[in-house]
Amino acid sequence: GAVVSQHPSRVICKSGTSVKIECRSLDFQATTMFWYRQFPKQSLMLMATSNEGSKATYEQGVEKDKFLINHASLTLSTLTVTSAHPEDSSFYICSATGQGAVEQFFGPGTRLTVL
Amino acid sequence: AQSVTQPDIHITVSEGASLELRCNYSYGATPYLFWYVQSPGQGLQLLLKYFSGDTLVQGIKGFEAEFKRSQSSFNLRKPSVHWSDAAEYFCAVGRGDSSYKLIFGSGTRLLVRP
Repeated sequence: GAVVSQHPSRVICKSGTSVKIECRSLDFQATTMFWYRQFPKQSLMLMATSNEGSKATYEQGVEKDKFLINHASLTLSTLTVTSAHPEDSSFYICSATGQGAVEQFFGPGTRLTVL
Repeated sequence: AQSVTQPDIHITVSEGASLELRCNYSYGATPYLFWYVQSPGQGLQLLLKYFSGDTLVQGIKGFEAEFKRSQSSFNLRKPSVHWSDAAEYFCAVGRGDSSYKLIFGSGTRLLVRP
């Protein structure tokens, strides 16, 4: 199956700083990438959908200026959490699909802890 | 609006016993249906999917699921559970439009007794 990687796997930062998370499709071209947030013992919440070369589409209630998403190439999307606060601490998971595909391939997730 | 319901938050089974995890969906047309498994601190792994055709779908690790349109269900089954199957299981439905978005159920945590 297709492989999606995320970097870093864990990050700890101070309140007020910005953190960038990378999502890469290793063996296919990801025309669409999705970013999810998962709180402990809860399901995945879709934050935004990004298509290569265009602006991301954010779900209702997700702050665009706080969660900056860039999908500059067919293999890389980044999520930047700006001015992070402790309430942003969560598990962030990305997924990717190829052209015309329905199935999403998920990355291993990034654990963000904001002190 | 689409929705996915997994009525069981926790399920505990003995190793070697059979397993059925329930999933009900709400969607106007024929949905794309998925089951994913998540081990602690990990991403999601696809177990199986249903798009069309045969309503009994075989997946990896010995899992299968049956699409029942009349019951709006897509229950996951395994005839004999192994200790390594302990994990969180998510059912998801795809909207089937160009957005390719998935809607996830709340998950079922499977515990396996030795």
